[in-house]
Amino acid sequence: QSALTQPASVSGSPGQSITISCTGTSSDVGSYNLVSWYQQHPGKAPKLMIYEVSKRPSGVSNRFSGSKSGNTASLTISGLQAEDEADYYCCSYAGSRVFGGGTKLTVL
Amino acid sequence: EVQLVESGGGLIQPGGSLRLSCAASGFTVSSNYMSWVRQAPGKGLEWVSVIYSGGSTYYADSVKGRFTISRDNSKNTLYLQMNSLRAEDTAVYYCARDRYVLMVPRGMDVWGQGTTVTVSS
Repeated sequence: QSALTQPASVSGSPGQSITISCTGTSSDVGSYNLVSWYQQHPGKAPKLMIYEVSKRPSGVSNRFSGSKSGNTASLTISGLQAEDEADYYCCSYAGSRVFGGGTKLTVL
Repeated sequence: EVQLVESGGGLIQPGGSLRLSCAASGFTVSSNYMSWVRQAPGKGLEWVSVIYSGGSTYYADSVKGRFTISRDNSKNTLYLQMNSLRAEDTAVYYCARDRYVLMVPRGMDVWGQGTTVTVSS
């Protein structure tokens, strides 16, 4: 399976909202509501932020939300904060598991 | 406390073998799906392998035939046996609990701190 496609970088100012896209195919993202999102700070392990496209694990801020349309899933972060600056990865479960290439979020 | 602790990484020559360990606490490895995920220096996450609670195993094409995932239920520990190592296997290797509920994946919700594997002569 090919990696899912994410923008290399996005940026936003504190308080703003940003959206990170994750594009797959009709065989993975488009076929199943099984997309998860991970946040990774430098030198740290990834952290699960969203699963099943739009569900938040306990303890994850409601500023993080997920959605999907066709073959593209999206992660939206509202009320941007400095600590949101990190790398974000989507992951699709479609038989196997495949990650996106990652998106570096910069909080200006 | 739910926790995963990896060990076993190091510097190894091309063609060599290494076994990574991932000790779990706070939950039972054999009752869960468990994955290995790696991250090459400066690169993104790459899924490597998974073992299901029933014992089925699956691998990324890049490691198929060279890596073997297994677990020791008595030690509550996950392993990754890596053979015929190549320079492109150089990465931080993470183990993660690959949570499933009623056969639906709910993401990798517990991660270890990672162990570094460097393949170089």
